[in-house]
Amino acid sequence: GQQLNQSPQSMFIQEGEDVSMNCTSSSIFNTWLWYKQDPGEGPVLLIALYKAGELTSNGRLTAQFGITRKDSFLNISASIPSDVGIYFCAGQLYGGSQGNLIFGKGTKLSVKP
Amino acid sequence: NAGVTQTPKFQVLKTGQSMTLQCAQDMNHNSMYWYRQDPGMGLRLIYYSASEGTTDKGEVPNGYNVSRLNKREFSLRLESAAPSQTSVYFCASSHRGPGNTIYFGEGSWLTVV
Repeated sequence: GQQLNQSPQSMFIQEGEDVSMNCTSSSIFNTWLWYKQDPGEGPVLLIALYKAGELTSNGRLTAQFGITRKDSFLNISASIPSDVGIYFCAGQLYGGSQGNLIFGKGTKLSVKP
Repeated sequence: NAGVTQTPKFQVLKTGQSMTLQCAQDMNHNSMYWYRQDPGMGLRLIYYSASEGTTDKGEVPNGYNVSRLNKREFSLRLESAAPSQTSVYFCASSHRGPGNTIYFGEGSWLTVV
């Protein structure tokens, strides 16, 4: 089936550093969502993007919907220990039917104090 | 402020046993979903229900059945559990479809021995 390529798979960074991760696909998407999952919990929505080129911030998080509609990135500025977790991108294919939300495999973020 | 509630949180089954995972949402959402999450695989859609009275297969439906009991409740049934169904299961809901924000439950950890 359709796949999203999410990278990197994992990151080990120092507290205070900025983080960048992205998702790409060969298909066009009309929605991009970014989620964070803490251990033992369900994913929680961070940012939703609905228009090509859209740049949206949520506190220290910034995400963009790529102009080609085939990619999206998430940046975290000045990381802190509570940023630890797995970050997932998810997208709905352009012209896709309901239920056709595809998830990346996740980026595991570790932050050293 | 419950959101999406799923039960049980943990379950151990023997191969061949059956069980039902229950899910309820209190956000008046039309669409509900069941995902499974396996290490390194991200989230994969099992079944979804776009509205009360309708259900559709997702990416990995084999071995599962679902029931949209009413607008609030969407259950997932394993008729004859297999070790390959050992996974973490997440129920989710959204207002209209995946293009709208999806909210996840806290997960159900299922082990089939």
